[in-house]
Amino acid sequence: TQLLEQSPQFLSIQEGENLTVYCNSSSVFSSLQWYRQEPGEGPVLLVTVVTGGEVKKLKRLTFQFGDARKDSSLHITAAQPGDTGLYLCGTTSGTYKYIFGTGTRLKVLA
Amino acid sequence: GAVVSQHPSWVICKSGTSVKIECRSLDFQATTMFWYRQFPKQSLMLMATSNEGSKATYEQGVEKDKFLINHASLTLSTLTVTSAHPEDSSFYICSAKQGGRGALLGYGYTFGSGTRLTVV
Repeated sequence: TQLLEQSPQFLSIQEGENLTVYCNSSSVFSSLQWYRQEPGEGPVLLVTVVTGGEVKKLKRLTFQFGDARKDSSLHITAAQPGDTGLYLCGTTSGTYKYIFGTGTRLKVLA
Repeated sequence: GAVVSQHPSWVICKSGTSVKIECRSLDFQATTMFWYRQFPKQSLMLMATSNEGSKATYEQGVEKDKFLINHASLTLSTLTVTSAHPEDSSFYICSAKQGGRGALLGYGYTFGSGTRLTVV
């Protein structure tokens, strides 16, 4: 069974700081999604990365897919309180399953 | 875009009763739906994969007699928590998978807004 480990588990930073969240697996990803989830809601898709070495940007968020497609990172520049939430990576496992990483809880203080 | 509707959004029930949660794909057919459980401040744990017209596939450690899943149509899957106990209190989220090759790459998975279950 593929496992997705995220680090750090929890991050509390001041507004304006930069941060990076990591998602690692022992297996090769076919592709990887990043989500943000707020309390009491379902996860919201941020991005999908497919190609090894791929870099995608979404405003202040930069997503990178490792060359070997076994890891990915999410970098947030100049974090804002609105970035607070649970960040999840997710991927297909086998043909039919979809699994999530262990999650990173981010709190950005004003 | 694809929308998955999940109801109820929250429910409080007495210990020993059963609760049914519905997950509907509103504008697409979903041959496969997924049910997740999320404890406070933790990630989503896959409970089971629900396939239309067949029995659900449960993940290891999930009691299939306690968490009954029915996927009777291409747009509806239900999760029934039977004889609920306080330890079943959690946030339950469903997901529906749109067909096509994209699904193998993780595309086309749409999530419901979740159901907060509290068993008292």
